[in-house]
Amino acid sequence: DQQVKQNSPSLSVQEGRISILNCDYTNSMFDYFLWYKKYPAEGPTFLISISSIKDKNEDGRFTVFLNKSAKHLSLHIVPSQPGDSAVYFCAASRMNRDDKIIFGKGTRLHILP
Amino acid sequence: DAGVTQSPTHLIKTRGQQVTLRCSPKSGHDTVSWYQQALGQGPQFIFQYYEEEERQRGNFPDRFSGHQFPNYSSELNVNALLLGDSALYLCASSLQGFGNTIYFGEGSWLTVV
Repeated sequence: DQQVKQNSPSLSVQEGRISILNCDYTNSMFDYFLWYKKYPAEGPTFLISISSIKDKNEDGRFTVFLNKSAKHLSLHIVPSQPGDSAVYFCAASRMNRDDKIIFGKGTRLHILP
Repeated sequence: DAGVTQSPTHLIKTRGQQVTLRCSPKSGHDTVSWYQQALGQGPQFIFQYYEEEERQRGNFPDRFSGHQFPNYSSELNVNALLLGDSALYLCASSLQGFGNTIYFGEGSWLTVV
């Protein structure tokens, strides 16, 4: 049973445009959500997070939106740059419980020149 | 500031053999989690160690075991290797009480032949 789902295995976006990566979760106990970015031959690196008390968190070009009623979150990258080409993992956990973090399967983002 | 370091980076083992992977957490971190990432999948939680004890465990058989040392470093042991154990093994560290954001090492690529 996949508790965190990323239904788009890949996404191609023109450089300079907005990239939108989507994620759904099924476990209503999750109240903390994260995005990680992974380049080939490297471990995932933390990108941005959001707790369930917020519906938006912004960090530079990256914004995460959370829709609790729909159990859906999205990562927006504006503007998209060539270095953003990577695999993006959505992840979820329970806040302040040091609970295991559950990952989705990832979305491979290609930024086209 | 030393990040999470893992060794070895690549290794090849034969079915039935045993393997030990090693991890040193990020400076200041006391909790280590291990993940398995198979090709095309997201990281899957194996277990978490804190205070030299296994605190949480994912859905992995007993062939997977671990250890944490007083200096917070950790080992992952896999016995009776199967072809399906071929994967990237990721170590992640965090600080207990702040465990909702974990930081990964570059991983150890295990190939079982």
